[in-house]
Amino acid sequence: GESVGLHLPTLSVQEGDNSIINCAYSNSASDYFIWYKQESGKGPQFIIDIRSNMDKRQGQRVTVLLNKTVKHLSLQIAATQPGDSAVYFCAEPRPGGYQKVTFGTGTKLQVIP
Amino acid sequence: NAGVTQTPKFRILKIGQSMTLQCAQDMNHNYMYWYRQDPGMGLKLIYYSVGAGITDKGEVPNGYNVSRSTTEDFPLRLELAAPSQTSVYFCASRIGLNTEAFFGQGTRLTVV
Repeated sequence: GESVGLHLPTLSVQEGDNSIINCAYSNSASDYFIWYKQESGKGPQFIIDIRSNMDKRQGQRVTVLLNKTVKHLSLQIAATQPGDSAVYFCAEPRPGGYQKVTFGTGTKLQVIP
Repeated sequence: NAGVTQTPKFRILKIGQSMTLQCAQDMNHNYMYWYRQDPGMGLKLIYYSVGAGITDKGEVPNGYNVSRSTTEDFPLRLELAAPSQTSVYFCASRIGLNTEAFFGQGTRLTVV
């Protein structure tokens, strides 16, 4: 649901460790999810996507897990690097139309050198 | 392809002034979106369009207007600017429903 007035939660991770960023979604009918990365001063950029007929999808150093039972997504980043410091958003179609794309609140990832 | 291009990058407006934020994409995408992002916050959908001539409201449309006369362009109009409209505005586009969105670099607007 809405999180108006809440600031971004922050995850601090030591360089080289793995990061796990979580996202809960609300629409049980959603069949497509995307993770975006937003670096400071820039627009969001696509990282990885997953369709609802999959539980897991892997990219380069990133893995997305989808648990439809509890409506939960996670983004795992292996061997976190300073360049991974950014805000991460999950996105899904929302009730009211699949043409709408709305974003979760986001999580700020801080990598400690 | 240039992708999604937004102009201007920065703008300072006085209360009550009007302006148009420009957004153009050269990827022949049907869907285009305008978001605002307040400091330390997530993205809020202002307006979106599913094709030329078709627009609809998002989560926070008050104080804004849009038009979509061509596939390429999706300008956002602010009438009677207010300090609450101080934000970073992002335009995005995508080719279809279950596809990634491509974002512009944003327009940082300050209303004083």
